[in-house]
Amino acid sequence: QQQVKQSPQSLIVQKGGIPIINCAYENTAFDYFPWYQQFPGKGPALLIAIRPDVSEKKEGRFTISFNKSAKQFSLHIMDSQPGDSATYFCAASRGGNQFYFGTGTSLTVIP
Amino acid sequence: ETGVTQTPRHLVMGMTNKKSLKCEQHLGHNAMYWYKQSAKKPLELMFVYNFKEQTENNSVPSRFSPECPNSSHLFLHLHTLQPEDSALYLCASSQEPGGNQPQHFGDGTRLSIL
Repeated sequence: QQQVKQSPQSLIVQKGGIPIINCAYENTAFDYFPWYQQFPGKGPALLIAIRPDVSEKKEGRFTISFNKSAKQFSLHIMDSQPGDSATYFCAASRGGNQFYFGTGTSLTVIP
Repeated sequence: ETGVTQTPRHLVMGMTNKKSLKCEQHLGHNAMYWYKQSAKKPLELMFVYNFKEQTENNSVPSRFSPECPNSSHLFLHLHTLQPEDSALYLCASSQEPGGNQPQHFGDGTRLSIL
């Protein structure tokens, strides 16, 4: 059973647009929700993370929105740039080493 | 050199070969991980080592054998692999075991089984 469900699988936006990637989970014991960015030929790199005691976190152009009651969280990329074209993974964990990852979203930002 | 380094970057091997993947982290972390990344699938956690001791083995077939000689080095020994084992193998590390520490990934070894 997939612990974290991610959508969409792929996304194409124009430069300056605001792509939104969504993730949903079932296990209410999860208490840490990171997002990773992966470029071709590279490993995933931590982008931003949130804990369930806050509803939103911003770091630069990247924002996580968290809805604890709906068990959903999403990544918004403001003023997207071609350099943001990458695969994005959401993940969740519950205090141990075990991270559960989504299936990834391939983002293309068209100049 | 900083971060998490994996070698080799690419590996092609036959089903009867024996090879090893190497991971080295220069971050002073105490936990290290092996993941398998296949297209259109979530990253699959394979093994976890905390302070050189294996603490997780997610039902990984015995043809994959991990080794952690110290907190900075992690190996994945491979033997008699199957075609479905072709994937990107990622190593990661985190500062401490548990506590939802962010994981730092290497760039992976792309493994192809003939």
